[in-house]
Amino acid sequence: GESVGLHLPTLSVQEGDNSIINCAYSNSASDYFIWYKQESGKGPQFIIDIRSNMDKRQGQRVTVLLNKTVKHLSLQIAATQPGDSAVYFCAENKYTGNQFYFGTGTSLTVIP
Amino acid sequence: DAGITQSPRHKVTETGTPVTLRCHQTENHRYMYWYRQDPGHGLRLIHYSYGVKDTDKGEVSDGYSVSRSKTEDFLLTLESATSSQTSVYFCAISVGNEQYFGPGTRLTVT
Repeated sequence: GESVGLHLPTLSVQEGDNSIINCAYSNSASDYFIWYKQESGKGPQFIIDIRSNMDKRQGQRVTVLLNKTVKHLSLQIAATQPGDSAVYFCAENKYTGNQFYFGTGTSLTVIP
Repeated sequence: DAGITQSPRHKVTETGTPVTLRCHQTENHRYMYWYRQDPGHGLRLIHYSYGVKDTDKGEVSDGYSVSRSKTEDFLLTLESATSSQTSVYFCAISVGNEQYFGPGTRLTVT
């Protein structure tokens, strides 16, 4: 079956350090991936996306890396801030009726 | 928030009662989705809609029905609520390939 999962359920980092959150996916046909941030009591918030024809995409303080060979993507957050504390999860799109499949999430805690 | 609201935001109901959750969007997006979020699981798709009166099942559709009589509203109904349907329910819309979510509805079935 299909699966989108995360390697670590929790991650704690010091303020100012860089954070790396990982995600594995199983469907090599997936061609679009999104990272979401979800704060407590709120809906998921779009952070950054990447298409399968790219290896890397950068946003403001965030970078997503895609390794299609091992079906792995990661989210890097530079200079992590307390406001970055949240659950982060990835989603893959198999482009069948605009359906997405979501990972279970990694809880990031930033230590001041 | 892409103009998405959900109502109610919190609800407690008894097993066997019908429940309807409402998702409202203000920007005429074609695609709308209902997900549930549970501990240990990623967001799981219940139903989605690709236009007025056009809906389809997701991976966890059993026990749920949906209706979309207007572009702006997508209703999720639990005909006879069960304790296993205690969850947080999120509505979402698509903008291109991106999905944007509403604030969620926390439903507790006792």
